[in-house]
Amino acid sequence: IVLTQSPGTLSLSPGERATLSCRASQSVSSYLAWYQQKPGQTPRLLIYDASNRATGIPARFSGSGSGTDFTLTISSLEPEDFAVYYCQQRGAWPLTFGGGTRVEIK
Amino acid sequence: EAQLVEFGGGLVQPGGSLRLSCEDSGFTFGSSSMNWVRQAPGKGLEWVSYINPGGSVTYYADFVKGRFTISRDNAKNSLYLQMSSLRAEDTAVYYCVREVPRCCHYMDVWGKGTTVTVSS
Repeated sequence: IVLTQSPGTLSLSPGERATLSCRASQSVSSYLAWYQQKPGQTPRLLIYDASNRATGIPARFSGSGSGTDFTLTISSLEPEDFAVYYCQQRGAWPLTFGGGTRVEIK
Repeated sequence: EAQLVEFGGGLVQPGGSLRLSCEDSGFTFGSSSMNWVRQAPGKGLEWVSYINPGGSVTYYADFVKGRFTISRDNAKNSLYLQMSSLRAEDTAVYYCVREVPRCCHYMDVWGKGTTVTVSS
């Protein structure tokens, strides 16, 4: 299953709303996760099963979608949120990641 | 929190072999599903392989199938990745990753990674 993330880069200012998209080449039901990766760090799980926040993840992060279309929303960007975001599906083997969306400071 | 530490990366010629190891300092390795995930320089994440807690079930990405073998030794709290017929495109940082406990193939705890460079 191919996951296509868009846009490739999102240029926004702190306090703005970020909307990231992940589209699957076939249905993965709700079996999709989102990760955040900052430079020099390993990824951190944000959202699992499309809409469930992982432990310790702030409420400004939310996920939605099912089937083939998914969205990660950051309601109001904090300085520490500028990073690369990946989606990952577990709907079928092999597991796959999307290509990533970079959220950069405008 | 459990710490995962990878070993065994290095420079290898195309067509060569390398064995990666990952040691888990935690207490739940034997009940944890484990994965290898890689990241080429400046590129995105690529899932490589999975093994269940008992070691009886494994899965591989298509681009490593037949070349890489995942295994584990629960008595040693260790995970392995035997890599053969290596190609330049296998150059990446390889991460040992524990899945979310009692769940479902999402990545939770990551090691710091070990770098594999395939070049002549």
